[in-house]
Amino acid sequence: GNSVTQMEGPVTLSEEAFLTINCTYTATGYPSLFWYVQYPGEGLQLLLKATKADDKGSNKGFEATYRKETTSFHLEKGSVQVSDSAVYFCALVNFGNEKLTFGTGTRLTIIP
Amino acid sequence: DTEVTQTPKHLVMGMTNKKSLKCEQHMGHRAMYWYKQKAKKPPELMFVYSYEKLSINESVPSRFSPECPNSSLLNLHLHALQPEDSALYLCASSQDREVYGYTFGSGTRLTVV
Repeated sequence: GNSVTQMEGPVTLSEEAFLTINCTYTATGYPSLFWYVQYPGEGLQLLLKATKADDKGSNKGFEATYRKETTSFHLEKGSVQVSDSAVYFCALVNFGNEKLTFGTGTRLTIIP
Repeated sequence: DTEVTQTPKHLVMGMTNKKSLKCEQHMGHRAMYWYKQKAKKPPELMFVYSYEKLSINESVPSRFSPECPNSSLLNLHLHALQPEDSALYLCASSQDREVYGYTFGSGTRLTVV
């Protein structure tokens, strides 16, 4: 079956630091990969996505590249802000499958 | 309109009450979902409706009863819930999900007392 493994949190960084949140996956075929963000007290927002190998998703300064050879989709940002404090979920879906498979989530806290 | 709207945002109910959660989208998405999220956990899929028909029920207890009256609306009827059912209930919709992903609502925070 499908699975997503994220780096354990929580992660605490200073403002303007470089961010990496690791995500690796196991899936059959060629899944689509997503990063979702959940701010305190809110639902999930799609942050970025990639649908095939070597695609790079980007949004709000965040980037992630679909690496099929390492089955990874690591999230990066060059300079984080306090407003980036949230929980980040890596997720995947296979073609023809209704179920979105989530990682466990990584709580990120940015301190001024 | 690119949103999924959920009402109410907060709900407190007793174990003998009957209540309903409502979800609405006007993006023309033909798949709609109910998820349950406990604190510090990822969302767990409960139900999937595809073209207004229930296509997946993830072995959810019968005290949760979904309904899809039309292509824009999704309800979740609640009856005789337990305190452990307290959670954030998220609705989502999708169209061509492998390309565009899923759009989630902001959720209903349910507390069962």
